[in-house]
Amino acid sequence: DIQMTQSPSSLSASVGDRVTITCRASQNIRTYVNWYQQKSGEAPKFLIYGVSGLQSGVPSRFSGSGSGTDFTLTISALQPEDFRTYYCQQSFTSPLTFGGGTRVEIK
Amino acid sequence: QVQLVQSGAEVKQPGASVRVSCRPSGYNLNNYYIHWVRQAPGQGLEWMGWINPYSGATKYAEQFQGRVTVAWDLSISAAYMELSRLRTDDTAIYFCARDLVGGLHYSFQFWGQGSLVTVSS
Repeated sequence: DIQMTQSPSSLSASVGDRVTITCRASQNIRTYVNWYQQKSGEAPKFLIYGVSGLQSGVPSRFSGSGSGTDFTLTISALQPEDFRTYYCQQSFTSPLTFGGGTRVEIK
Repeated sequence: QVQLVQSGAEVKQPGASVRVSCRPSGYNLNNYYIHWVRQAPGQGLEWMGWINPYSGATKYAEQFQGRVTVAWDLSISAAYMELSRLRTDDTAIYFCARDLVGGLHYSFQFWGQGSLVTVSS
């Protein structure tokens, strides 16, 4: 199975900060990475597909990059509604696997 | 708009089975795979399997093989996931999620609201 290692597991930041979350795959997955945002107690929300494709309705302050084994999710200027948990997921092959999550907290 | 509405919370004893349903609406059901993902309390996300509603084809994660069944219930136009021989560590929120258009993309574009399954004696 492909392991997705996400870091950091949590971070503290302020509104307006630029935040970067990284995800490393245990093998080459080309550009088959998606990102999700989850508010506690709710279903995840689809943010980014295929490394950098922004899902409809997702603000442009979210962006993704990377290829092969190393990927990043960047939030250019944190907004109050962005203090959530974020997950990467590899869509390269079954079994589909997720990173362990990054909790973004208010500093 | 696209919606996936799941069945309500369940409490089961160890060894029992549970069935969670997922009724999609707002799109052509035949064009999109449905996945099942679960999340234990305070934990991350774990993929369980998928179904092609058109063909009925399924695939499961190896750790659930033999215990999980995903199928389409024509009578209620809903997908369901049945997990048998429940253990306490199966306590989780179970989500259904729709894939992207036009095939199996292994992506979760729209999600149901989740169904809490509690396994306790």
